[in-house]
Amino acid sequence: KAGVTQTPRYLIKTRGQQVTLSCSPISGHRSVSWYQQTPGQGLQFLFEYFSETQRNKGNFPGRFSGRQFSNSRSEMNVSTLELGDSALYLCASSPDGLAGNNEQFFGPGTRLTVL
Amino acid sequence: EDKVVQSPLSLVVHEGDTVTLNCSYEVTNFRSLLWYKQEKKAPTFLFMLTSSGIEKKSGRLSSILDKKELFSILNITATQTGDSAVYLCAGSPQGAQKLVFGQGTRLTINP
Repeated sequence: KAGVTQTPRYLIKTRGQQVTLSCSPISGHRSVSWYQQTPGQGLQFLFEYFSETQRNKGNFPGRFSGRQFSNSRSEMNVSTLELGDSALYLCASSPDGLAGNNEQFFGPGTRLTVL
Repeated sequence: EDKVVQSPLSLVVHEGDTVTLNCSYEVTNFRSLLWYKQEKKAPTFLFMLTSSGIEKKSGRLSSILDKKELFSILNITATQTGDSAVYLCAGSPQGAQKLVFGQGTRLTINP
C-alpha cells in the first residue's frame, strides 16, 4: 500500500497570506489527523477528521481550519499567516481511531516558512 | 491538561551499547501509548501498547507499559548507528483520535 502523501513538501509565504496544505491518507484509512511540529513546542495536535466531519480539535486559533472530502483526502488551511506559524505540518492517517486500534501513520510533512 | 514527559532529552552512546528511553504520561481516560522514531521527516511507527506488563518486541527494540505507575520504556539492544534518531512517545485518550506527544529523546549512536 502507498503511504500517506502530503503536498506541497515545501512552502514559503509572507505574513498575512493564507496557505492550503493537502494530505492523502493510506488507502482504506478514514481518519486523518493534523499536527504542527516546531523546535520549541514539539508535536502538537491540530485536529482530526473522520467521514468529512471534524471529530477532535486541539488548542489552536481559528485561523487554522481543515476539511475532509468523501475520498478521505484532507486539506488544512491557515489564514493570516504569522511568523510563528513556520513549522513542519504533519498529517497522519488511521483506519478508524475510535472503533479499533489507533495506530497513526505519518506522511512526510509540509515544511512551511513564513517570512 | 494531558501531558507526556520523556527522559533523557538527549543521549549519546557507543555502537553496541544498550539504551533505555523513558516516558511518563498523564492522559485523561488513557487508552494507549505509542512510540515513534523520527529521523529526517515523518515519524515512523514502532509500537502501540495498551496493556500493562506485556512486552512488545521488534528485533532489537522492545517496549513495555506500566499503567499503574503511568510510564513506559523503550529498550534498544546492540545499538547501531542507524538507530540514531529522535524517539517520540505519545499518549492517546479513549474516545478521541489524538496523540499527546512528549518532547522526544534525541539518541546519537557513535561508531
